[in-house]
Amino acid sequence: GQQLNQSPQSMFIQEGEDVSMNCTSSSIFNTWLWYKQDPGEGPVLLIALYKAGELTSNGRLTAQFGITRKDSFLNISASIPSDVGIYFCAGPTTSGTYKYIFGTGTRLKVLA
Amino acid sequence: EAGVAQSPRYKIIEKRQSVAFWCNPISGHATLYWYQQILGQGPKLLIQFQNNGVVDDSQLPKDRFSAERLKGVDSTLKIQPAKLEDSAVYLCASSFGRYQETQYFGPGTRLLVL
Repeated sequence: GQQLNQSPQSMFIQEGEDVSMNCTSSSIFNTWLWYKQDPGEGPVLLIALYKAGELTSNGRLTAQFGITRKDSFLNISASIPSDVGIYFCAGPTTSGTYKYIFGTGTRLKVLA
Repeated sequence: EAGVAQSPRYKIIEKRQSVAFWCNPISGHATLYWYQQILGQGPKLLIQFQNNGVVDDSQLPKDRFSAERLKGVDSTLKIQPAKLEDSAVYLCASSFGRYQETQYFGPGTRLLVL
């Protein structure tokens, strides 16, 4: 079945640094979603992308829908301590029942 | 607007025991999802309801897991009997519709099976 692989798996950065992470698949996706999960909470949607090549921002976050439709990227500028958490990409399957699958996650830790 | 409510927040049981989780979605949301999130992994869909009908339960271990949404509002997920590998966070989410709709997640129920 379709799978989403995220890299890096985890990262430690200094406060103020920029962060980049990506999500790749062996098959095409028509929608890419980026979620953040805080410890002890459910995921919260950050950005949704619906078109190949689309670049969308939400405050300090910017995400891009890859031109090949097999990848997506999330950038965080000037990281702050509250950016700590796990970032997941997700997308609806393009075969069978319309349902979302989630990536493996990128765990971000920010050092003050 | 109230978010997705789940209870209990934590549950510890022994293997072979039964457990049930409850979810109340956001008012007016027709679609309800149950996900299983094992430590270090992303959420995996167990079952998806559209009103009170099941849309997808292909990844639900039906020999031990069951779920219902009788009145098309709140839902329960049951495990009977539990196995050690069922230890996970069980997340409930809801959305207004099925297609390209934002899913809103509850805080989850953390299950530990000993």
